[in-house]
Amino acid sequence: GAVVSQHPSWVICKSGTSVKIECRSLDFQATTMFWYRQFPKQSLMLMATSNEGSKATYEQGVEKDKFLINHASLTLSTLTVTSAHPEDSSFYICSARAPHEQYFGPGTRLTVT
Amino acid sequence: GIQVEQSPPDLILQEGANSTLRCNFSDSVNNLQWFHQNPWGQLINLFYIPSGTKQNGRLSATTVATERYSLLYISSSQTTDSGVYFCAVRSGAGSYQLTFGKGTKLSVIP
Repeated sequence: GAVVSQHPSWVICKSGTSVKIECRSLDFQATTMFWYRQFPKQSLMLMATSNEGSKATYEQGVEKDKFLINHASLTLSTLTVTSAHPEDSSFYICSARAPHEQYFGPGTRLTVT
Repeated sequence: GIQVEQSPPDLILQEGANSTLRCNFSDSVNNLQWFHQNPWGQLINLFYIPSGTKQNGRLSATTVATERYSLLYISSSQTTDSGVYFCAVRSGAGSYQLTFGKGTKLSVIP
């Protein structure tokens, strides 16, 4: 199957700083990527849909100025958590859309101290 | 939006046992996927199955689209099968978003 990578796999940052997470489709091109958030023992919650070359579409309740998404190429989308706070600590997972299925990255565990 | 319900929420199996996980959805779908989330958080694609039956080794899945449910069968379970199993669906012609169920947490004990 197709491979999606995420970097970093985990990050600890101080409150008020920004963190960038990269999502890459390694062996296929993805015009559409998705960013999810997962809290412990819960399901995945879609944050935004990232389309190559255009603005991301955010789900209701997700602050677009806080979670900046850039999809500059067919294989790379980035999520920047700006001015991070402890409540932003979570597991962030990206996925990339192949013709029929979505494939998921391994996730990034963010801890804000 | 579409609702996805998975059952049971938790399942404990003895190694070697078989199990059936269920996914009900509230509207017609054009994509249904089963995933296994391992203890490290990685979601592994198990099946893309908007309709019909597929098998892959000890796992098989059936989706009855007209009755809005899908089943995932795990036979001869192994400890490495432990984790959370998610069903996710996509409905609507113009949308590529997946809606996830809450998952079934499977624990296989030796």
